[in-house]
Amino acid sequence: EVQVVESGGNLVQPGGSLRLSCVASGFIFSDYNMHWVRQAPGKGLEWVSHINGGSNDIQYADSVEGRFTISRDNAKNSLYLHMSSLRVEDTAVYFCARDLRDNYSIDRWGQGTLVTVSS
Amino acid sequence: EIVMTQTPISSPVTPGQPASISCRSSESLVHSDGNTYLSWLQQRPGQPPRLLIYKTSKRFSGVPDRFSGSGVGTDFTLEISRVEAEDVGVYYCMQATQFPWTFGQGTKVEI
Repeated sequence: EVQVVESGGNLVQPGGSLRLSCVASGFIFSDYNMHWVRQAPGKGLEWVSHINGGSNDIQYADSVEGRFTISRDNAKNSLYLHMSSLRVEDTAVYFCARDLRDNYSIDRWGQGTLVTVSS
Repeated sequence: EIVMTQTPISSPVTPGQPASISCRSSESLVHSDGNTYLSWLQQRPGQPPRLLIYKTSKRFSGVPDRFSGSGVGTDFTLEISRVEAEDVGVYYCMQATQFPWTFGQGTKVEI
């Protein structure tokens, strides 16, 4: 069964840092592009970042560019999001998501991990 | 950035009746490869999103055939032929033609 499971969400102060992790199973992780998408409480979806299988094509939303870094370890079937200079507006559930190969969409989502930025 | 606008924001529906959601993009979603990368996702309460439709009209695996997508250029539609109680939730359109990928604001479908 295809699964992605996020972890690492926590309460952090403004200006702080946090690293989210996502472990994948049930598919050949290195064959798939991956994404992070977030959802602020009671709000809609916001795409955050993308990384291809070889980690040589990385994209970010303008709202996180320069503060967040996406990475992956294919040997560990793991995706990461390192977040720094966190702001109150970064408070959200962060979803790890698998790309629908060759079709530019997202076909699998984790349950999400909550990041709360507050003093 | 491509802005996605959905209408309506909220849609009361009656089981057994059809429902329709519109999505408009601020610029054409036709990719340089000729494909149009517009998807529809459903998010039930307390759940992560679920892919329904990709490339405008292709139904994802396991999605009931009462869901269909259509559209061209900047105007797209998700139709539910006969709404069922389990279809309650928020529906999002998403464009993946160009980074950053962007979502519509969501349409809440409620019985």
